[in-house]
Amino acid sequence: GAVVSQHPSWVICKSGTSVKIECRSLDFQATTMFWYRQFPKQSLMLMATSNEGSKATYEQGVEKDKFLINHASLTLSTLTVTSAHPEDSSFYICSASRSGIYNEQFFGPGTRLTVL
Amino acid sequence: AQSVTQPDIHITVSEGASLELRCNYSYGATPYLFWYVQSPGQGLQLLLKYFSGDTLVQGIKGFEAEFKRSQSSFNLRKPSVHWSDAAEYFCAVAPYNNNDMRFGAGTRLTVKP
Repeated sequence: GAVVSQHPSWVICKSGTSVKIECRSLDFQATTMFWYRQFPKQSLMLMATSNEGSKATYEQGVEKDKFLINHASLTLSTLTVTSAHPEDSSFYICSASRSGIYNEQFFGPGTRLTVL
Repeated sequence: AQSVTQPDIHITVSEGASLELRCNYSYGATPYLFWYVQSPGQGLQLLLKYFSGDTLVQGIKGFEAEFKRSQSSFNLRKPSVHWSDAAEYFCAVAPYNNNDMRFGAGTRLTVKP
């Protein structure tokens, strides 16, 4: 159990367009979902934390108007990269937290975004 | 805020040799601790985790890690490395509610035949 999926697994888009990435918890209800960004040969950096039905909390330096996060249900969160630019090209990974003693996070497989 | 340090950016070991990857953390209380492995272009795979209890944690693929509170460390070990272990390894720390996970910079493991 505790499977998290992401869609799409990779996407290529033109500069200036918007891209939506979905993160789903397949077999549990996720009280909290997280979005991370990983540039090539670098570590994961937390972008934002979202709770179902609430506005996301963004980390310092992350533009909330550029990276729109919606957590409309306990199994789905979406990240929309608006007006994407080549510097937004990255590996985006989501995780979902299942409420319990440890609130453990389970990670999705990631989405590779390439902006041309 | 908590932080994680992986002192070794790149480690090369011979196949069959033992392995130890270092991880040090800075946090006011005992955090939750994790080791993940990532192959190129892939997502994260959890190797093991420490929440509480026995400080020697066994994980998948023959890995283990030991939490040493006095040294603020959570080093990953494997007695005999296989060529398939070549990958990037990340140590991560989170506070008790797991809501603010931070990753180390990663250690790239190369395995020589």
